[in-house]
Amino acid sequence: DAGVIQSPRHEVTEMGQEVTLRCKPISGHDYLFWYRQTMMRGLELLIYFNNNVPIDDSGMPEDRFSAKMPNASFSTLKIQPSEPRDSAVYFCAITTGYAGELFFGEGSRLTVL
Amino acid sequence: GQQLNQSPQSMFIQEGEDVSMNCTSSSIFNTWLWYKQDPGEGPVLLIALYKAGELTSNGRLTAQFGITRKDSFLNISASIPSDVGIYFCAGQPTTPLVFGKGTRLSVIA
Repeated sequence: DAGVIQSPRHEVTEMGQEVTLRCKPISGHDYLFWYRQTMMRGLELLIYFNNNVPIDDSGMPEDRFSAKMPNASFSTLKIQPSEPRDSAVYFCAITTGYAGELFFGEGSRLTVL
Repeated sequence: GQQLNQSPQSMFIQEGEDVSMNCTSSSIFNTWLWYKQDPGEGPVLLIALYKAGELTSNGRLTAQFGITRKDSFLNISASIPSDVGIYFCAGQPTTPLVFGKGTRLSVIA
């Protein structure tokens, strides 16, 4: 079964602090996606990778956001410095085979005070 | 960019009732998918549609890929309490998927 492990599940931090969210695919995949979910904007695509290479980061809101995928088993999304408007649930998702059928992690809920 | 309009935004229904929700796009999609998100979880794929006119069922769920390739609907028959959650349509002209804003379903026992 396809699966993604995200950590931390919950993070509360203060404005200005650095936040690092982690994603660990536990099955094979071709693509890895980072999404952000808020009540107002729904699910927004931030960035995606194909075979560990960033393909499109046009959804990354600002230079404060960065993402890396050093290998097929690990990806990070970093926010530095964090701001209250970054509060959201951040999801990592992968595809196995066909790019449309995404398998999501359980998400990381970020609260920036 | 592509836009997806999903309706209704929310629904309150009695247990046992049937539910219908739909999604329309401003452009042609090659794939339509429906996901469900339970509270505190990530979205989970329910049904994937790949051909215009395709009608696919998954238990009490039925979804169709519109003939114009610009719309899709999802029906849930005989709703039960565990159907509660947010249902998302998603379409794919090319990678990556475009998601609708979701339909929040509440089921009253």
